[in-house]
Amino acid sequence: EPEVTQTPSHQVTQMGQEVILRCVPISNHLYFYWYRQILGQKVEFLVSFYNNEISEKSEIFDDQFSVERPDGSNFTLKIRSTKLEDSAMYFCASTGQGFGNTIYFGEGSWLTVV
Amino acid sequence: GESVGLHLPTLSVQEGDNSIINCAYSNSASDYFIWYKQESGKGPQFIIDIRSNMDKRQGQRVTVLLNKTVKHLSLQIAATQPGDSAVYFCAENFGNEKLTFGTGTRLTIIP
Repeated sequence: EPEVTQTPSHQVTQMGQEVILRCVPISNHLYFYWYRQILGQKVEFLVSFYNNEISEKSEIFDDQFSVERPDGSNFTLKIRSTKLEDSAMYFCASTGQGFGNTIYFGEGSWLTVV
Repeated sequence: GESVGLHLPTLSVQEGDNSIINCAYSNSASDYFIWYKQESGKGPQFIIDIRSNMDKRQGQRVTVLLNKTVKHLSLQIAATQPGDSAVYFCAENFGNEKLTFGTGTRLTIIP
């Protein structure tokens, strides 16, 4: 069964450093998402991406965050200057047709900022 | 803002029994709902979905019920197995790009 894959599975970074989290969405999908889950809390929406641009973002997704689809397969989330409160599990997700269609999640990238 | 360290509702069920997990959603305009299962250290795994023009949908061993009047969603798991132990989230979508997740319920299957 096709799946969303994410790398790295776990990254530890110093506060203030830049981090790039990588995702390979399911190959024929057109809508891409990043969510995050702080330990013990709900899964929260960060950003959605369609047709090479951000279609919606949450208030969490401030100027420190950016997303990119550098080629036909990868979808990245960059955090420019990490803060302690960025420590969380970051999930990439994708779907084929947008609203009302199943959104498939990756296994997550666990980011620890020290 | 979000609460820190949310205490998850828990449900313990004897293996082989049926379980019912409940969820109250927030937006009366939501028209698409999904149940996800999350095992420890893994991503949310799709279980079943339902659109607002339905009140019941069945899958393999799972049934989702939707009551729009009281904004309530439930997930019924029949004949539970040890592998069903996980945190279960409901999520709602109201025509935009994002899913809004609920708090989650931790289901423990007792052998």
